[in-house]
Amino acid sequence: SQQGEEDPQALSIQEGENATMNCSYKTSINNLQWYRQNSGRGLVHLILIRSNEREKHSGRLRVTLDTSKKSSSLLITASRAADTASYFCATSGSRLTFGEGTQLTVNP
Amino acid sequence: DAGITQSPRHKVTETGTPVTLRCHQTENHRYMYWYRQDPGHGLRLIHYSYGVKDTDKGEVSDGYSVSRSKTEDFLLTLESATSSQTSVYFCAIRDRAFYEQYFGPGTRLTVT
Repeated sequence: SQQGEEDPQALSIQEGENATMNCSYKTSINNLQWYRQNSGRGLVHLILIRSNEREKHSGRLRVTLDTSKKSSSLLITASRAADTASYFCATSGSRLTFGEGTQLTVNP
Repeated sequence: DAGITQSPRHKVTETGTPVTLRCHQTENHRYMYWYRQDPGHGLRLIHYSYGVKDTDKGEVSDGYSVSRSKTEDFLLTLESATSSQTSVYFCAIRDRAFYEQYFGPGTRLTVT
């Protein structure tokens, strides 16, 4: 069974808008990671947040983690058409477990 | 793609035939993983390796076997391919436990 579940399953926005994706998980974790996958390509690691961290930034990405609610969010600010991709959260316990992803479409 | 290659990139095979997919890394990472990706299921772990000749099963290991005789190579074998094994297969590597994984470009396998 999948540990992480992303919400929404699909998101369509205009260039320049912010995109927020959420991830919920069920058991305790060591860290939580976000990955991006462009169509027909492998996954690319975006950011890792440890269980004792609450927020982390990387460029236009902002990730939050609430371990009491077992949830995380990924915010992409000032989105670009090139951000169009699927985004996956992955929880790291003994293994890395992926959710089913959010398909983000950024319209020019 | 972080020094990871997969071969072949595409393969069409018939039901009942054996198939071997290869993952090769140049990063000297200890951990290697095989996943399959299917619509509606996300990425699911098939097998993984934590060192040469050290492997373990993932959540969907039935019908698959693996071998790792060298640090750089991790082979995934479908003993007798079935249509349910039509999928995109990704290899990934990781340097240390609990750190990020780096993915290969994937192999699209079609079993007819």
